[in-house]
Amino acid sequence: SQKIEQNSEALNIQEGKTATLTCNYTNYSPAYLQWYRQDPGRGPVFLLLIRENEKEKRKERLKVTFDTTLKQSLFHITASQPADSATYLCALPATGGFKTIFGAGTRLFVKA
Amino acid sequence: DAGVIQSPRHEVTEMGQEVTLRCKPISGHDYLFWYRQTMMRGLELLIYFNNNVPIDDSGMPEDRFSAKMPNASFSTLKIQPSEPRDSAVYFCASSLGTEGSPLHFGNGTRLTVT
Repeated sequence: SQKIEQNSEALNIQEGKTATLTCNYTNYSPAYLQWYRQDPGRGPVFLLLIRENEKEKRKERLKVTFDTTLKQSLFHITASQPADSATYLCALPATGGFKTIFGAGTRLFVKA
Repeated sequence: DAGVIQSPRHEVTEMGQEVTLRCKPISGHDYLFWYRQTMMRGLELLIYFNNNVPIDDSGMPEDRFSAKMPNASFSTLKIQPSEPRDSAVYFCASSLGTEGSPLHFGNGTRLTVT
């Protein structure tokens, strides 16, 4: 069955450093992958979409890569700030239908 | 745009009671999704609708769960009877009907069943 794996352990980094989060998937050949941010007590908020024919996508301090051979996406936040502290979820379209399946998310803490 | 609106924000009920969660999607969005989030299982898709019609309810855990979408601006998720293991945060999300369209989530209903 389709499976998405994200680091379950929280990531702690110092302000100003680059945070890198990993999303691996199996039994999938998705046409695209999405990243969302979730703050405590809130619903997830869409950040970026990257398609299978795109190796890299950037938006301000965010960069996403998509390696369909490794079945992996990396999510980078450069010059991280305490306000970037949140849980980041990767999401993929399920095979067949219009469903979106989410990873468990990785909690990021940025220390000032 | 007010975004996806869910009510109530919090619901505490006793086992065996009926619970109704409500959602107003973003106007113009063709798809509506109900998700459940727990620490153990993360975000799970329960059911989704397209143009008010249920398309896939394979994620609905049991017959105790039902969802309706009587019109394009309103949906309900009902649990009857509720059980403690139903305690979770329930999210509603809506999206446009194009491939890759992002999901727009409400802020969820935190359900506690005692």
